[in-house]
Amino acid sequence: GNSVTQMEGPVTLSEEAFLTINCTYTATGYPSLFWYVQYPGEGLQLLLKATKADDKGSNKGFEATYRKETTSFHLEKGSVQVSDSAVYFCALSASYNQGGKLIFGQGTELSVKP
Amino acid sequence: GAVVSQHPSRVICKSGTSVKIECRSLDFQATTMFWYRQFPKQSLMLMATSNEGSKATYEQGVEKDKFLINHASLTLSTLTVTSAHPEDSSFYICSARWFRDYNEQFFGPGTRLTVL
Repeated sequence: GNSVTQMEGPVTLSEEAFLTINCTYTATGYPSLFWYVQYPGEGLQLLLKATKADDKGSNKGFEATYRKETTSFHLEKGSVQVSDSAVYFCALSASYNQGGKLIFGQGTELSVKP
Repeated sequence: GAVVSQHPSRVICKSGTSVKIECRSLDFQATTMFWYRQFPKQSLMLMATSNEGSKATYEQGVEKDKFLINHASLTLSTLTVTSAHPEDSSFYICSARWFRDYNEQFFGPGTRLTVL
């Protein structure tokens, strides 16, 4: 079945450090891949997405590339800020005949210290 | 665009009472809405999928008689937690999908339910 695995948190970084959060997936067909961010007490916000192999999603300095050969969608940012502190979820969208459900990873908590 | 609201944002109720949570798509027509439950420090667990005008499809292990879902219009879905108990306390999040982009869901801000 479909599944998403993320690196465990919490991840603690100093401001301006480089960020990588690993995400790998298992899926049938060709899913779309997403990164969502959740700030404390809030719902999820879409950070970026990629719909086919080799696509790169980017937003607010974050990037992730859809790598079919390694079934990965790692999230990166060159220089994190305190305001990036949040929980990050990697997700894939199941195929149409599976209802297009989102399958989430377990989430990775990021804490950025000044 | 693509804003989803939830009401209430926070609710406290007594054990045995029922609570209704609303999920609205404010600027688009949502052909499908999803309801999730999230425990502290955990990921989102899909509870059910609702399509406008039809019965909701519940995930395995979710009690359909306890978590009643109604999707009466293209902009509104409701989740009613019936005869709530303390173990139903959780963060409930809805999302909505529109026909133009099957792959993307737009999330509401969530509802914190506390059952005393």
